[in-house]
Amino acid sequence: ILNVEQSPQSLHVQEGDSTNFTCSFPSSNFYALHWYRWETAKSPEALFVMTLNGDEKKKGRISATLNTKEGYSYLYIKGSQPEDSATYLCAPHSGSARQLTFGSGTQLTVLP
Amino acid sequence: EAQVTQNPRYLITVTGKKLTVTCSQNMNHEYMSWYRQDPGLGLRQIYYSMNVEVTDKGDVPEGYKVSRKEKRNFPLILESPSPNQTSLYFCASSFTVAGEQYFGPGTRLTVT
Repeated sequence: ILNVEQSPQSLHVQEGDSTNFTCSFPSSNFYALHWYRWETAKSPEALFVMTLNGDEKKKGRISATLNTKEGYSYLYIKGSQPEDSATYLCAPHSGSARQLTFGSGTQLTVLP
Repeated sequence: EAQVTQNPRYLITVTGKKLTVTCSQNMNHEYMSWYRQDPGLGLRQIYYSMNVEVTDKGDVPEGYKVSRKEKRNFPLILESPSPNQTSLYFCASSFTVAGEQYFGPGTRLTVT
């Protein structure tokens, strides 16, 4: 089982603030890193799947970066909106593994 | 519409009464898995399947069984449910083990 850490556990920001979270994972034998967004009473939905060191992906106001050498990824949200309130999960995958291991997530609340 | 379906969505049952939660996907995905979500613990994988007739244990397989007789279906079987299996269950599928996961709507199970 991979050791995956996400920080912070929870975060409250005001509407319009920009914010970021961290996902740390073992750098050895890295293959891919997933980010998912999970709204209350819904199912997790994929945001990004990243594989290359230095990779940067963007979807609207949300972007993510990846550092495979040191084993971390950042998720950024620019100009947070109340609809961004959700739990954000990361899940690294190592090449030899047959499963994803999910972190426990960062719960974001955006206050209007 | 591409989707993963689960049934039932909600179930209250008693200790020891065998039950099956069905999962079906219409995307021709090879990889399917079952997760349980408990407060503070995040998503933990129960079982996964790389393809038809190929299944393997995840991180928390005790008390569960699965089968993969057809590519589209991956039922989760609780032969003798116990209260510690009260949880929110998600089925997910993807083209490959490292690919973007598509989650079903979830099944909330309560075992009394």
